[in-house]
Amino acid sequence: TQLLKQSPQFLSIQEGENLTVYCNSSSVFSSLQWYRQEPGEGPVLLVTVVTGGEVKKLKRLTFQFGDARKDSSLHITAAQTGDTGLYLCAGVSGGSNYKLTFGKGTLLTVNP
Amino acid sequence: DTGVSQDPRHKITKRGQNVTFRCDPISEHNRLYWYRQTLGQGPEFLTYFQNEAQLEKSRLLSDRFSAERPKGSFSTLEIQRTEQGDSAMYLCASSQAYYGYTFGSGTRLTVV
Repeated sequence: TQLLKQSPQFLSIQEGENLTVYCNSSSVFSSLQWYRQEPGEGPVLLVTVVTGGEVKKLKRLTFQFGDARKDSSLHITAAQTGDTGLYLCAGVSGGSNYKLTFGKGTLLTVNP
Repeated sequence: DTGVSQDPRHKITKRGQNVTFRCDPISEHNRLYWYRQTLGQGPEFLTYFQNEAQLEKSRLLSDRFSAERPKGSFSTLEIQRTEQGDSAMYLCASSQAYYGYTFGSGTRLTVV
């Protein structure tokens, strides 16, 4: 059972375009994190969202946590080739305050 | 601090051999985690240490797998009698609190 479903699975866009990727679940999470991973490397933490309805901005990236804390989105404005990578969402839920459950990721390719 | 360090970066081994991986976390982080990532999937939780105590092991961790964290510093993950299904990226992460993981670059294991 995939607790966190990410969509789309693959996304290829031109530099300068905007995009949104989604992370959805039927489960409630106490917090949700977004990571970016490059080939052959470990994931790098971008943001943690904790409060339902929370919006966080990181330069051209905007992260939103759903009101019910079951879903999240990542919006990138004016994508750059350096944004290319695998975007993973990961949630903390249940009795564990440390175990992350990851989605399969969205593989983003930004073409020049 | 140079972040989380994992060694080796790549390991090719023959089926049936034993392998050991090492992880050096960020020095002030008392929490250490091992995850496994296969192609096209997000990382999956394997085990968690708080200081030297191993507090949780996933059922993914068969009896061929053992992890240690002597003295609450570095950690090792050993796989005995490797199988082709063990081929994956093994990721180590550390944190101070329950969020804000820092991942290492991983050890890519190929069992031939």
